[in-house]
Amino acid sequence: EAGVTQFPSHSVIEKGQTVTLRCDPISGHDNLYWYRRVMGKEIKFLLHFVKESKQDESGMPNNRFLAERTGGTYSTLKVQPAELEDSGVYFCASSPLRHGGADTEAFFGQGTRLTVV
Amino acid sequence: AQKVTQAQTEISVVEKEDVTLDCVYETRDTTYYLFWYKQPPSGELVFLIRRNSFDEQNEISGRYSWNFQKSTSSFNFTITASQVVDSAVYFCALSEARGSGGSNYKLTFGKGTLLTVNP
Repeated sequence: EAGVTQFPSHSVIEKGQTVTLRCDPISGHDNLYWYRRVMGKEIKFLLHFVKESKQDESGMPNNRFLAERTGGTYSTLKVQPAELEDSGVYFCASSPLRHGGADTEAFFGQGTRLTVV
Repeated sequence: AQKVTQAQTEISVVEKEDVTLDCVYETRDTTYYLFWYKQPPSGELVFLIRRNSFDEQNEISGRYSWNFQKSTSSFNFTITASQVVDSAVYFCALSEARGSGGSNYKLTFGKGTLLTVNP
């Protein structure tokens, strides 16, 4: 079974440009999460989807970031316009919905390393 | 607010040595989950263990063991007889355990500890 896949693995863009990151969760996983690690800092929560609905986007840094999950399958995270401080590694994770109080761990992708120059 | 502290930024050991990675957490929740993830050079975060706040039993899995102490808010990870393949960044994390995300909801991570095991 395929794991969580993220595209691209690396992206170098100029300040002011737009970049779109994509995450394909494990098939059947309704929970999808985006996290970000800025150089030297902790991995931080950005947002959480359940199917196509945003459950919590409290971690989104500002309105230059837009996440979508049309159809409840893959998700995209668009940064427009990108700034230097957006550089970092963006992780996506997925997990099944919890049933009866039991759940499994979240599975993470390999991340997208974004460099804004 | 939740917080996870991994005071050791980098640790270097020689193969076959035992090594303990420290993790201290802060939370006001009475129900929470603690995790350890491994990040090998390939970049993905690999799940190692999840513990809920009501289960303080220590756990052993092969060469890995975890010591959960609620009294000191610590969840330390020990690798016995380390191997070169254990070289990676290890992250400790804490979750709020709410809603449909369950135990995976809104993980708070530490900064990670880079473990290098030399032959």
